[in-house]
Amino acid sequence: DVKVTQSSRYLVKRTGEKVFLECVQDMDHENMFWYRQDPGLGLRLIYFSYDVKMKEKGDIPEGYSVSREKKERFSLILESASTNQTSMYLCASSRQRQGGAFFGQGTRLTVV
Amino acid sequence: AQSVSQHNHHVILSEAASLELGCNYSYGGTVNLFWYVQYPGQHLQLLLKYFSGDPLVKGIKGFEAEFIKSKFSFNLRKPSVQWSDTAEYFCAVNNLGSQGNLIFGKGTKLSVKP
Repeated sequence: DVKVTQSSRYLVKRTGEKVFLECVQDMDHENMFWYRQDPGLGLRLIYFSYDVKMKEKGDIPEGYSVSREKKERFSLILESASTNQTSMYLCASSRQRQGGAFFGQGTRLTVV
Repeated sequence: AQSVSQHNHHVILSEAASLELGCNYSYGGTVNLFWYVQYPGQHLQLLLKYFSGDPLVKGIKGFEAEFIKSKFSFNLRKPSVQWSDTAEYFCAVNNLGSQGNLIFGKGTKLSVKP
């Protein structure tokens, strides 16, 4: 069974903290994505990566960075967490140029 | 910029009613099209996808979607909904000119009354 695993289901962090969200996929997919999901706004792309050490900004990259040192792992970093980054964060992976992404369970991050 | 529009924010139906959820996209090139479903408390799952060929595609659980290129549309349909179809539905597009970037619509919440 294919799997995209996010390291935490729930996180509570303080304003100003540096936050790391980890995602691992076991399908040898080239593409990996980080989205945030907010009610009424759907899924908004933060960053995606199409190869190791390669990344592209999505629609809302401000306040975030990413790291992809290995093909199977894609990390999202909140450099200095703020309350407006309270959200559900979804990681996904797919074969290059095919979409059909597989999603993880999501991490619900609360910044207080 | 590429975008995906879903026309309905919330649809409420009774069981056995027919369903059609609208989806339009803005990109003019070659695209792959998807519908995802998110049941309450669960992760996103792929419902169906269109890459090429027959524009009428069938997915899981009796869902189907029709790609109409001239209208830039990919509407989701089901002849008779069940209470268990209550979920949020997302349309998504990736253009083959990119590396595989997947853009989502804002979602349509479907509530089916028993």
